[in-house]
Amino acid sequence: AQTVTQSQPEMSVQEAETVTLSCTYDTSESDYYLFWYKQPPSRQMILVIRQEAYKQQNATENRFSVNFQKAAKSFSLKISDSQLGDAAMYFCAYRSAKNYGGATNKLIFGTGTLLAVQP
Amino acid sequence: NAGVTQTPKFQVLKTGQSMTLQCAQDMNHEYMSWYRQDPGMGLRLIHYSVGAGITDQGEVPNGYNVSRSTTEDFPLRLLSAAPSQTSVYFCASRMFVNTEAFFGQGTRLTVV
Repeated sequence: AQTVTQSQPEMSVQEAETVTLSCTYDTSESDYYLFWYKQPPSRQMILVIRQEAYKQQNATENRFSVNFQKAAKSFSLKISDSQLGDAAMYFCAYRSAKNYGGATNKLIFGTGTLLAVQP
Repeated sequence: NAGVTQTPKFQVLKTGQSMTLQCAQDMNHEYMSWYRQDPGMGLRLIHYSVGAGITDQGEVPNGYNVSRSTTEDFPLRLLSAAPSQTSVYFCASRMFVNTEAFFGQGTRLTVV
């Protein structure tokens, strides 16, 4: 079974600085998707960034970028020029690309990293 | 464009009561799912549906029922609430098998 591990329960960053959130995962599959979701105090789950495992190029979305290391099964999120609105819980998630037993319908989440942004 | 709408946002139930959490999406998505979020455990899949009339169990299905009579709606039923079902519940939908999921705003349920 696949697992996702976020080893940093809490992180803090100064406004305008850069922070990296860690995520590792365990799988025997070669085709899958990885996601970072942001959950602000409003509780809404917001997709930050997505990475397809077959793509070697790291995904980027404005100030958000990932460092995807497939061999090491690592998927870290870098937030540049941190803003107060970035303060939230961040979840790393995995989804299979092959539909064995409905696996593509299941997002597997890590336990989250709570990011605080200091003014 | 409302996206994924969950009602109610908050609910308190007594042990043994039943209730239905509503989920509706207006994006014509085929795939819909229910997750629960507990402290320190991330989100876990309860049930999912790949289209009207088709549902299946996820990781933690016990104590919950679902049905999917229309593409738009995917209600989650608690037949006899237990304190262990105290959680935040999220409904999610997506268009295709390889697209990302959109989440509703969640329902915070407390069972006393």
